[in-house]
Amino acid sequence: KNEVEQSPQNLTAQEGEFITINCSYSVGISALHWLQQHPGGGIVSLFMLSSGKKKHGRLIATINIQEKHSSLHITASHPRDSAVYICAVIAGTASKLTFGTGTRLQVTL
Amino acid sequence: ETGVTQTPRHLVMGMTNKKSLKCEQHLGHNAMYWYKQSAKKPLELMFVYSLEERVENNSVPSRFSPECPNSSHLFLHLHTLQPEDSALYLCASSQDRLAGGRDTQYFGPGTRLTVL
Repeated sequence: KNEVEQSPQNLTAQEGEFITINCSYSVGISALHWLQQHPGGGIVSLFMLSSGKKKHGRLIATINIQEKHSSLHITASHPRDSAVYICAVIAGTASKLTFGTGTRLQVTL
Repeated sequence: ETGVTQTPRHLVMGMTNKKSLKCEQHLGHNAMYWYKQSAKKPLELMFVYSLEERVENNSVPSRFSPECPNSSHLFLHLHTLQPEDSALYLCASSQDRLAGGRDTQYFGPGTRLTVL
């Protein structure tokens, strides 16, 4: 079992829908990252958070440390949001990221 | 040119070949990373360099040999690879090592490696 689990693995939505991607982890962490990987491989860091909630444009990330759970929300989804979304954590004082397997999102017109 | 660049973007090699992957960062960062991404598996950290010194080797086979000649450049030398080494190899950099997770990593576009 991975230390970082994401759900769903695959998600198809219509343009305009509200999307939620979940991440659960089993270890104590000092930070959690949400990353976006487009077809072709490039990865972009979306959020780094250790508590509460962060918002950037149509993206919102939340984390509940007690429940070891984070969610990434996309409001008013658009086909350009189609990508793989990856959750990654840093456990305690470690200096490396542990990654989930990603959620593949496809937004259709 | 800005950000993190990787060359080549695609590489096909035989099991007896020797090749090298190159990563360059133009961000003034002190830490650089090599990751392997295989199909349907999470990203796996391979190596971490901080100020040109290797600080982490994540049990990577010796057929992968990293080199960091300066803080802007990182190489991954490949020799006698196996077909199961076929994957996307990603380079990343951050201002400092990710101690406590307070830093952001910037990724390159990756090199898609196929070993025949």
